Amino acid sequence: ETGVTQSPTHLIKTRGQQVTLRCSSQSGHNTVSWYQQALGQGPQFIFQYYREEENGRGNFPPRFSGLQFPNYSSELDVNALELDDSALYLCASSLGGTRDTQYFGPGTRLTVL
Amino acid sequence: GNSVTQMEGPVTLSEEAFLTINCTYTATGYPSLFWYVQYPGEGLQLLLKATKADDKGSNKGFEATYRKETTSFHLEKGSVQVSDSAVYFCALEGTGGGNKLTFGTGTQLKVEL
Repeated sequence: ETGVTQSPTHLIKTRGQQVTLRCSSQSGHNTVSWYQQALGQGPQFIFQYYREEENGRGNFPPRFSGLQFPNYSSELDVNALELDDSALYLCASSLGGTRDTQYFGPGTRLTVL
Repeated sequence: GNSVTQMEGPVTLSEEAFLTINCTYTATGYPSLFWYVQYPGEGLQLLLKATKADDKGSNKGFEATYRKETTSFHLEKGSVQVSDSAVYFCALEGTGGGNKLTFGTGTQLKVEL
């Protein structure tokens, strides 16, 4: 069974640029959630996708967007990057039901200069 | 809204010492409660969970009991090892659906020989 994978591992961008992060869910999982973890903080929920539809969103501006593909992999897009977007971005997959355990990938470390 | 409060770190212990990391929460209804662990440079791994009051989650010698009356989910281990050095996050999933996790800020544990 393949776990959750994310790419790239590390990324450096400059302010104002756009970035796309990718996540492959664990086999059999139809739900993907994205979290932002700033240095020294706990992860903050960005949004969740269930069967290709957005299924809940946290307190993040519209320049954070995403999608989920028919194979349940997912992308997180961030436009007009700001310095405060520098963080570890975590993807988690689950079976989609309430109280299903979420399994996390290793994360993508984004640095905005 | 939902929130999780963890004790401040870092916590430094000698090997074989007893560990307690405090976690309290605010939520409506009966959330599910989790402890995740993050090793340096890695994503989050589920350590244990409890889904209803008085449930005890346990794994790898770690335990936590869901206390509804005190809204707490303290993590304990009787004898820590150097390999337990990591950051520990308490989290909850509310009853509003959507499988969204709310995390505490994390507690760094360092175990020394």
